[in-house]
Amino acid sequence: DAGVIQSPRHEVTEMGQEVTLRCKPISGHDYLFWYRQTMMRGLELLIYFNNNVPIDDSGMPEDRFSAKMPNASFSTLKIQPSEPRDSAVYFCASSFVKEEQYFGPGTRLTVT
Amino acid sequence: LAKTTQPISMDSYEGQEVNITCSHNNIATNDYITWYQQFPSQGPRFIIQGYKTKVTNEVASLFIPADRKSSTLSLPRVSLSDTAVYYCLVGDIGTGSARQLTFGSGTQLTVLP
Repeated sequence: DAGVIQSPRHEVTEMGQEVTLRCKPISGHDYLFWYRQTMMRGLELLIYFNNNVPIDDSGMPEDRFSAKMPNASFSTLKIQPSEPRDSAVYFCASSFVKEEQYFGPGTRLTVT
Repeated sequence: LAKTTQPISMDSYEGQEVNITCSHNNIATNDYITWYQQFPSQGPRFIIQGYKTKVTNEVASLFIPADRKSSTLSLPRVSLSDTAVYYCLVGDIGTGSARQLTFGSGTQLTVLP
């Protein structure tokens, strides 16, 4: 298996623009997680899904953030409108056994 | 919340055994303890997981005392390539909230030649 795939790997956008990050989990995994990592706040869990259903989104910082999982092989994290403070590395992870997560390479987002 | 506390950094020399301790005083009955390793510009990588007593795999051992309020990751005979940030994560995915499953600050391990 190719592992968790994320796209794009790097994204540079201007404040106010919509940003969509994409994730393809490992086939057969039924949990999917979205994380954000910054120097100031470390690694934060934003939201996670089980069998395509959002289980908890209490880590999502604001209404500007939304996540969807339309099927077992695809998820998106959308920021609209984006702000400079959203600049971070966003990781997607998936798991079969619920605590052993496999992380993707991350998307480095820069909002200017 | 099962907040975790780890040392910010540790130094070691090649070939030595390294023990990194994580405190989690408010661990809940259903919580597991999981350790991850992260290299720069990469996502975290699973190392080991346990619930109580001792767990060992091909890369590490995890020691958990009876009260489960702490855990110790043991890396035998470290090499330069073990230089990374190590995180302990305490939680129960499926019933835990996203805020409870947030990683701690991590421990920067530097292995010296």
